[in-house]
Amino acid sequence: SQTIHQWPATLVQPVGSPLSLECTVEGTSNPNLYWYRQAAGRGLQLLFYSVGIGQISSEVPQNLSASRPQDRQFILSSKKLLLSDSGFYLCARRFLGGYTFGSGTRLTVV
Amino acid sequence: TQLLEQSPQFLSIQEGENLTVYCNSSSVFSSLQWYRQEPGEGPVLLVTVVTGGEVKKLKRLTFQFGDARKDSSLHITAAQPGDTGLYLCAGEYNFNKFYFGSGTKLNVKP
Repeated sequence: SQTIHQWPATLVQPVGSPLSLECTVEGTSNPNLYWYRQAAGRGLQLLFYSVGIGQISSEVPQNLSASRPQDRQFILSSKKLLLSDSGFYLCARRFLGGYTFGSGTRLTVV
Repeated sequence: TQLLEQSPQFLSIQEGENLTVYCNSSSVFSSLQWYRQEPGEGPVLLVTVVTGGEVKKLKRLTFQFGDARKDSSLHITAAQPGDTGLYLCAGEYNFNKFYFGSGTKLNVKP
């Protein structure tokens, strides 16, 4: 199984509050893991990817950070949320030439 | 900057009609994937194409990768309401990085 677990499914947070989204994966060890953000009904923007524990590559300068404290755990964080951080956040792993995605977290910053 | 452009952005057709969705880029990709996404869920991988000129069929869906590996198309024959969703293409541009197109939202009316 290459299942990806994301939580929470939905989140409403005030501007300026911190954020922590967690993603855990099952299956083969040392997976390549990714965080994407999706605007409503549109394409996905790559935020971060990780090829191993403690290894994070950032694609877009922004208000977010990522960490990989364990092989199968990938965390997306922010110290102070902005309105523009609202969106649908998806965790993914590389598998069979493409991605397997989690079910996503809908974040609304108010 | 969008590496991959999809067209059309929106498509509303009657059940039984045929349709084609396009994914174009000025960049060469080592592989290209097509995904289908339903509201509130993560995208699901449909197919991966690797070789220029490659054609793959998945029941009523036909996928083609351009000879120069810069573009791709998805053709659906005799569309059904169950085909409704957001169709996304994604190109592998650099190792470990996939960039997504802006998506085509398909609505098949019964």
